[in-house]
Amino acid sequence: EAQVTQNPRYLITVTGKKLTVTCSQNMNHEYMSWYRQDPGLGLRQIYYSMNVEVTDKGDVPEGYKVSRKEKRNFPLILESPSPNQTSLYFCASTPNRGGEQYFGPGTRLTVT
Amino acid sequence: QKEVEQDPGPLSVPEGAIVSLNCTYSNSAFQYFMWYRQYSRKGPELLMYTYSSGNKEDGRFTAQVDKSSKYISLFIRDSQPSDSATYLCAMSANTGTASKLTFGTGTRLQVTL
Repeated sequence: EAQVTQNPRYLITVTGKKLTVTCSQNMNHEYMSWYRQDPGLGLRQIYYSMNVEVTDKGDVPEGYKVSRKEKRNFPLILESPSPNQTSLYFCASTPNRGGEQYFGPGTRLTVT
Repeated sequence: QKEVEQDPGPLSVPEGAIVSLNCTYSNSAFQYFMWYRQYSRKGPELLMYTYSSGNKEDGRFTAQVDKSSKYISLFIRDSQPSDSATYLCAMSANTGTASKLTFGTGTRLQVTL
């Protein structure tokens, strides 16, 4: 089954404790993105990747890091999480530049 | 002012009604227009995808794009309780770089029996 998977689905952590949210797609898509979704603000892009080793900032990259060492994986790293990073995070992939994206199931992160 | 504006709702309609969902945008460079449906506690799923202006129909769903007015719509005919979800519009420009979508904040739709 073609899909985007994320782990973990739920995470509660404390301020400053480094964490990684994994994302993997099995559709051989070149483009992958991370979004956060907040009430009243909608989905906002954090980072995106055009291919292996090629990444760029989205609209809200502060406090996040990404890497793309393999085509199928695109982990999101929070080196020192803060409470304002409490949010619902989605990974997405797309086969082309035009934009129709396929989303993972989401990771609900709470930073206390 | 946001690049994409979408009425948050909630919108409540009876089963069988025609639903109209709308977004306006300010960036004239947008060329790709999408509608996503998001059920509670799930990721958005692509519903409709259109390029440039015009209409596109898929079953009970019709997407319209009016680039001259910077206005897009999604119509749902014969609405069903299973259509109850949040509907997100999204759009992107042909910037020559990786895909970057700009989303509306979503309209919550409830279809009642």
